[in-house]
Amino acid sequence: QSALTQPASVSGSPGQSITISCTGTSSFVETYNLVSWYQQHPGKAPKLLIYEVTKRPSGVSYRFSGSESGNTASLTISGLQAEDEADYYCCSHAGSGTWVFGGGTHLTVL
Amino acid sequence: QLRLQESGPGLVEPSETLSLTCTVSGVSISTSYSYWGWIRQPPGKGLEWIGGIFHTGTTYYNPSLRSRVTISADTSKNQFSLRLTHVTAADTAIFYCVRKNNDAFDIWGQGTMVTISS
Repeated sequence: QSALTQPASVSGSPGQSITISCTGTSSFVETYNLVSWYQQHPGKAPKLLIYEVTKRPSGVSYRFSGSESGNTASLTISGLQAEDEADYYCCSHAGSGTWVFGGGTHLTVL
Repeated sequence: QLRLQESGPGLVEPSETLSLTCTVSGVSISTSYSYWGWIRQPPGKGLEWIGGIFHTGTTYYNPSLRSRVTISADTSKNQFSLRLTHVTAADTAIFYCVRKNNDAFDIWGQGTMVTISS
């Protein structure tokens, strides 16, 4: 069982907004504030969407945003598009130089 | 342009050692504050951080794999490597080499599938 818990699946219709949660079993999410989010399409390598909880790398759509409340981080995708259908993973620093991923969430665009 | 490319055998026998190399182009792996690592993904499953190495040579490993993992770097070839000993079928996975920057894994190799089987 992952130290970061994500819902197995979420869905939404085009144009809607969805939020994926990522809850730490320990307090490292709120302790370190070093959560990142990744998008993975089938057969492809993951792509960084969000780093340090809320920051977006250059080239990533503004439709992707991150937030954190207590020991739960969240990824929000606004204005859903068909191409957003993919797997999403959160990741957090877990102390002592180690990193942990969430189990992943599959997003279905209806 | 920064690129990472994994290489190594696609099939390893149980109890043997898995060895992979990541060749980095576009930047020196010895650049200050640089961090290079490995992440794996079993078929149909999620991502697992294996470990990483700083430009100083300092390494960090997933506690669940620490007894079997070694990550090293060869700055003369601009490569870093992964060794995983005593492999079993549970180690079958796609292995990605990555760069960590701003406390996130921002550059990924395309991944290489390694199957553990006799």
